Amino acid sequence: AQSVTQLGSHVSVSEGALVLLRCNYSSSVPPYLFWYVQYPNQGLQLLLKYTTGATLVKGINGFEAEFKKSETSFHLTKPSAHMSDAAEYFCAVRAEGAQKLVFGQGTRLTINP
Amino acid sequence: SAVISQKPSRDICQRGTSLTIQCQVDSQVTMMFWYRQQPGQSLTLIATANQGSEATYESGFVIDKFPISRPNLTFSTLTVSNMSPEDSSIYLCSVGDRLSEQYFGPGTRLTVT
Repeated sequence: AQSVTQLGSHVSVSEGALVLLRCNYSSSVPPYLFWYVQYPNQGLQLLLKYTTGATLVKGINGFEAEFKKSETSFHLTKPSAHMSDAAEYFCAVRAEGAQKLVFGQGTRLTINP
Repeated sequence: SAVISQKPSRDICQRGTSLTIQCQVDSQVTMMFWYRQQPGQSLTLIATANQGSEATYESGFVIDKFPISRPNLTFSTLTVSNMSPEDSSIYLCSVGDRLSEQYFGPGTRLTVT
């Protein structure tokens, strides 16, 4: 079975500072990993995904994440935070060949002026 | 990516009544999924709806409470039956297949009084 743990339900950074949102997963088979963002009163938007190949993946809005198998991690980063990045971020895992997405609890990102 | 719409976008319903939520996709898709997001919580998969077969429900969700229809490859409905205040949530549909990510609709915000 797959599971996802997001460390920190709430992260606050200053505008222009580094954003780091942590995600650790548990999977008995090679996983597919995803980061989604949810802006207030909206659905989920895919930021980036890892399936196979390069372990550093780049997504939209300047975000990137690195798949580290040895650490079972898929942390999301952005070098310089922008006020528009304030949102809820969800990490999700899906086993290869499976249909079901399993989500982490989410991290609310706040950007301070 | 697929464009997904949901109706209604929000509703306030009285306990004991039922609400049917519609999900429309702009292209034919094999798999459609229904999720629940309770206030301040992450997403939980209710069921997977594939065209031409019965929906597959996750543990804790039953067909009598959440009947689903999937009449064709672009449309699905989820009914929340005999509602109670505990059913107050955001209900999201998504589409995808085993080789790709899932795309989400904007959600239906349900309040049960």
